Amino acid sequence: QKEVEQNSGPLSVPEGAIASLNCTYSDRGSQSFFWYRQYSGKSPELIMFIYSNGDKEDGRFTAQLNKASQYVSLLIRDSQPSDSATYLCAVLNTDKLIFGTGTRLQVFP
Amino acid sequence: KAGVTQTPRYLIKTRGQQVTLSCSPISGHRSVSWYQQTPGQGLQFLFEYFSETQRNKGNFPGRFSGRQFSNSRSEMNVSTLELGDSALYLCASSPDSALQYFGAGTRLSVL
Repeated sequence: QKEVEQNSGPLSVPEGAIASLNCTYSDRGSQSFFWYRQYSGKSPELIMFIYSNGDKEDGRFTAQLNKASQYVSLLIRDSQPSDSATYLCAVLNTDKLIFGTGTRLQVFP
Repeated sequence: KAGVTQTPRYLIKTRGQQVTLSCSPISGHRSVSWYQQTPGQGLQFLFEYFSETQRNKGNFPGRFSGRQFSNSRSEMNVSTLELGDSALYLCASSPDSALQYFGAGTRLSVL
């Protein structure tokens, strides 16, 4: 079992819709969770982090964490074509950041 | 604040050669982590340096090594290059290893 799992996609959503990206992790002791966005040919960019159970909102982005289910998600409201990218989930595990392989999001006009 | 700077941006080497990549972290950040990114394997952790000491290491062979200087700048060295080492090498800086900010990366091609 991989430590951090994501569906590779692509996830296709129409412009203006809500995109929902999901991630599961195997280490129940993990404490910190991150979402990075990576455009094709570019490096990952940190967009959200969450440490506590529940929701954390920042603009159009909402991160959701459920430690009991070992599940973290990222919601993007009012999706725009410029949101089309690969979204990487990362989990901090004993000072090492473990990445999922990413979900490719496509937002079509 | 200046971001993370990686040099060079692109490198072409042949099998058996060695290569050194450089990373200058964000001012004030003492942690530098290195990652290898390939289409098949995604982002794989190589190692982390904090205050000139290697604090964590991933599952890569000993051909991959690194160091960090007193000004927090870090270098990564790969010896005896193999075709499979072709990848994007990313450096990330952090004040504490949690919130990591990536440089633009060095794309290494091994022929």
